Amino acid sequence: GAVVSQHPSRVICKSGTSVKIECRSLDFQATTMFWYRQFPKQSLMLMATSNEGSKATYEQGVEKDKFLINHASLTLSTLTVTSAHPEDSSFYICSAMGSPYEQYFGPGTRLTVT
Amino acid sequence: GDSVTQMEGPVTLSEEAFLTINCTYTATGYPSLFWYVQYPGEGLQLLLKATKADDKGSNKGFEATYRKETTSFHLEKGSVQVSDSAVYFCALSKTQGGSEKLVFGKGTKLTVNP
Repeated sequence: GAVVSQHPSRVICKSGTSVKIECRSLDFQATTMFWYRQFPKQSLMLMATSNEGSKATYEQGVEKDKFLINHASLTLSTLTVTSAHPEDSSFYICSAMGSPYEQYFGPGTRLTVT
Repeated sequence: GDSVTQMEGPVTLSEEAFLTINCTYTATGYPSLFWYVQYPGEGLQLLLKATKADDKGSNKGFEATYRKETTSFHLEKGSVQVSDSAVYFCALSKTQGGSEKLVFGKGTKLTVNP
């Protein structure tokens, strides 16, 4: 149980385009999901907290107009990187808050912007 | 702010060797402490946790003790196996804005050779 999926696992896009990453909790409902970014040899950095039915809460320094988060249902949150640039290339990981208040992580999405 | 420092890798051991991965933290208050493991191609999984000082978390032969006096949560295993090869992340949690947030160390890659 407590499986979280991400789609796609890898994506390559051209500079200036937008890309959407999906995070799904497959066998449980999650009112809260989190989005992280991981640079090579760096720790996971929390980008935002996504709550179903309300606006996401972004961490300091994260541009909310660039990283659009939508938590439309109890099993799906999406992260859209708008007008992507090469510096947005990274590994994006989501997690979903299960019970009792444990985070379950997706396998991550590798974004490359050319 | 809150932070987690763990030993840099990579760590390479032979099967049945003793493992220690050091982790220290800086935090206000009394955070919960975690070790997560990430096997190749998979998402992070909770390995063990401790919620208060002197607590010992244990799972799959791994142990870590919450040491408040030294602000440490070192991960140990007496005899590693090839299947333990993975990246290990130390983390602390803090409650902020009504939700539980995780702060991660940079991760330590462990390779166990037969």
